[in-house]
Amino acid sequence: GENVEQHPSTLSVQEGDSAVIKCTYSDSASNYFPWYKQELGKGPQLIIDIRSNVGEKKDQRIAVTLNKTAKHFSLHITETQPEDSAVYFCAATRGSTLGRLYFGRGTQLTVWP
Amino acid sequence: DAGVIQSPRHEVTEMGQEVTLRCKPISGHDYLFWYRQTMMRGLELLIYFNNNVPIDDSGMPEDRFSAKMPNASFSTLKIQPSEPRDSAVYFCASSRSGSRAGNTIYFGEGSWLTVV
Repeated sequence: GENVEQHPSTLSVQEGDSAVIKCTYSDSASNYFPWYKQELGKGPQLIIDIRSNVGEKKDQRIAVTLNKTAKHFSLHITETQPEDSAVYFCAATRGSTLGRLYFGRGTQLTVWP
Repeated sequence: DAGVIQSPRHEVTEMGQEVTLRCKPISGHDYLFWYRQTMMRGLELLIYFNNNVPIDDSGMPEDRFSAKMPNASFSTLKIQPSEPRDSAVYFCASSRSGSRAGNTIYFGEGSWLTVV
């Protein structure tokens, strides 16, 4: 099966700085890469996703990049705010599995005011 | 629209007792997933259903765990007998095949299980 590795496990930044979280995957057939944000006491919530036919996708302060050759993808958060503090998970899957996601171990992001 | 609804939100039980977790997926979704989250193992897929039929239960830890989906709007995850190592947050999630959203999975708020 797929193996997704995520780094770093913890990340602390000052408010207004950028944060980058990186993931690698092992299955070259994976073609869908979502990112989830999990706040304390809540379930993971999808914040952005990217498919293998594009290299970058942006949504306001959040962007994701994908390098299929190297089998890695990254989440970029610019102008971080304290409310961005949460655990972020990357995931990967093949479209044929229709949602059977393989998750990274998560990154605890802390944004200091 | 209501999201994925799970109950109970919190459960504290004694070792050896039966635990039943419940889930109502988002209406119209044909995939339902049960995940378990622990500090040691992260998010693990236990089992998932498509159109109420179990597709992959390879993540179910052992025979003490069982899951059912009697209809499109209800699923249960049962642990019998429960053990302290089953303490975790159990998430139910659902998705819809063929939608423009693709493989987007929507998670419930989780059931926090503590076995003492």
